[in-house]
Amino acid sequence: LAKTTQPISMDSYEGQEVNITCSHNNIATNDYITWYQQFPSQGPRFIIQGYKTKVTNEVASLFIPADRKSSTLSLPRVSLSDTAVYYCLVPIYNQGGKLIFGQGTELSVKP
Amino acid sequence: NAGVTQTPKFQVLKTGQSMTLQCAQDMNHEYMSWYRQDPGMGLRLIHYSVGAGITDQGEVPNGYNVSRSTTEDFPLRLLSAAPSQTSVYFCASSAMLGQGANYGYTFGSGTRLTVV
Repeated sequence: LAKTTQPISMDSYEGQEVNITCSHNNIATNDYITWYQQFPSQGPRFIIQGYKTKVTNEVASLFIPADRKSSTLSLPRVSLSDTAVYYCLVPIYNQGGKLIFGQGTELSVKP
Repeated sequence: NAGVTQTPKFQVLKTGQSMTLQCAQDMNHEYMSWYRQDPGMGLRLIHYSVGAGITDQGEVPNGYNVSRSTTEDFPLRLLSAAPSQTSVYFCASSAMLGQGANYGYTFGSGTRLTVV
């Protein structure tokens, strides 16, 4: 099981870049890294996934070093609406469907 | 596409009552899961399914039953409601790992259940 560890909370200000790092020391060869965003009173929303190096989409970038034991979610120029809980998960390739959430990182963006 | 649809959105039950939370997806996803989220807490996996006719227990399965007779539907049954089951319940679905580039789960909007 690829257990993940990430900071419990982070604070930022509008316009800043926010980087949230997640460690997953025992990630397996076939595992992908996924990140979710959850606003209060809503279900989580899948925002990005990656296997290695860098992935970028309209929401965020994901940086994964060569050893894949960690990953960093980067949110460019955050706004108040980015205040949410961010979860790093590694779906278990050979245990399909069993997606276990950790505590996530509560990001608070201030004016 | 509607995505993942959960009904009802809100429900109040009396202790001991039973009910079924409905979940349907129209994305032909093999994987479906049920989570509960208590106030200020993270999501906990109740039951999950990797395809029609196949279900398994998650982290907190006691007091809940599931079945998966079709790919589209994954109902969650509360057998005898207890106040400890007051929570927000989320259903989610995903394509099977290795059969698509996107491994992300799509979540429904949730069912807010209160047991009194």
